[in-house]
Amino acid sequence: TQLLEQSPQFLSIQEGENLTVYCNSSSVFSSLQWYRQEPGEGPVLLVTVVTGGEVKKLKRLTFQFGDARKDSSLHITAAQPGDTGLYLCAGAIGNQFYFGTGTSLTVIP
Amino acid sequence: SQTIHQWPATLVQPVGSPLSLECTVEGTSNPNLYWYRQAAGRGLQLLFYSVGIGQISSEVPQNLSASRPQDRQFILSSKKLLLSDSGFYLCAWSGEDFQETQYFGPGTRLLVL
Repeated sequence: TQLLEQSPQFLSIQEGENLTVYCNSSSVFSSLQWYRQEPGEGPVLLVTVVTGGEVKKLKRLTFQFGDARKDSSLHITAAQPGDTGLYLCAGAIGNQFYFGTGTSLTVIP
Repeated sequence: SQTIHQWPATLVQPVGSPLSLECTVEGTSNPNLYWYRQAAGRGLQLLFYSVGIGQISSEVPQNLSASRPQDRQFILSSKKLLLSDSGFYLCAWSGEDFQETQYFGPGTRLLVL
């Protein structure tokens, strides 16, 4: 059973377009992380959100944690080819982290 | 600052051979340590986690085992590799000051032939 569902699974868009990736669960998390991973490398942390309703911005990336701390979204404005990669969400419960299924993003120049 | 190391980066092993992957963390004490396996382009499957020396929790019963002989060292092992053990293995840590976040090593690509 997958605790965190990510959608879409694959996304291919043109440079300059906007996109949103969703991470949903029926479980409550103490925090939620978003990572970006390139092929053959470990995931790199983008952001951690802790408070329900919290919104964090990282340049063109906007992260939101749901009010009930069960879901999160990642919005990218004016996507660039450098944004290409696998995006992973992960929710923390105690000492354990539960990962989403991943969203593979390709931004076409 | 904290850093995490994994080696080897790539490993090709025959079926039935043993395995030992090592992970070490620098710049922190008493970290929580984790081993994950990742299928190509997919999410991570938690294999083992450890909250202290000699304390190992297994999430998925399988052909692998883990050990934590020192505070900042985490080892993933197998006595006899199977074809299905092929994959990308990632080590991660979280700590008291960073309880809500995990940081990952560079990963080991294992191919069992």
